[in-house]
Amino acid sequence: DMQMTQSPSSLSASVGDRVTITCRASQNIDIYLNWYQQKPGKAPKLLIYAMSTLQSGVPSRFRGSGSGTDFTLTISDLQPEDFAVYYCQQSYILPKTFGQGTKVEIK
Amino acid sequence: EVQLLESGGGLVQPGGSLRLSCAASGFTFSNYAMSWVRQAPGKEPEWVSAISASDGRTYYIDSVKGRFTISRDNSKNTLYLQMGSLRADDTAVYYCARFIGGTSYDPFDIWGQGTLVTVSS
Repeated sequence: DMQMTQSPSSLSASVGDRVTITCRASQNIDIYLNWYQQKPGKAPKLLIYAMSTLQSGVPSRFRGSGSGTDFTLTISDLQPEDFAVYYCQQSYILPKTFGQGTKVEIK
Repeated sequence: EVQLLESGGGLVQPGGSLRLSCAASGFTFSNYAMSWVRQAPGKEPEWVSAISASDGRTYYIDSVKGRFTISRDNSKNTLYLQMGSLRADDTAVYYCARFIGGTSYDPFDIWGQGTLVTVSS
């Protein structure tokens, strides 16, 4: 199976900070990398798909980049509602695997 | 409003069976491939199974092959997951999720609220 490795596993940041989360795939997945946000007790929410396409309704402070095996989620001007767990997921091949998550906490 | 609503979770003994349902509303259900994704406590989501929009093609993660069956009834706008020979490591919140488009590369854009399955004696 395709392994997805995120780093860091957690980070502390303040409102207004810029945050970067990375995701590495064990094989080339072209651009088929998606990012989700999950808050406690809720289902994951799609933020970005196909590496850099912003899902409808998602603020433009979220940006995805990368290609091949290395990808990045950047959150600019962190807002209070952005404190959550973020998962990457590859949709290139079955099974559609997720990263282990990055928890963004308030400093 | 586009919505998915799961039901059917609960406590079941190891080796037992359970059927999950997912009622869809607010969109043309028969136009979309659908999936089940589970999440064990404190873990990342895990894709479990998928079914195509209309021709019934099904896909499973290896750990549930032969034990779980995904199906859909487009006339009832409902997705199902029949789970059998349940094991403790099947314990998770089970979400139904919609593929955003019509390709195998698509992400999941709509998720239900989840239903908890606990396998324990």
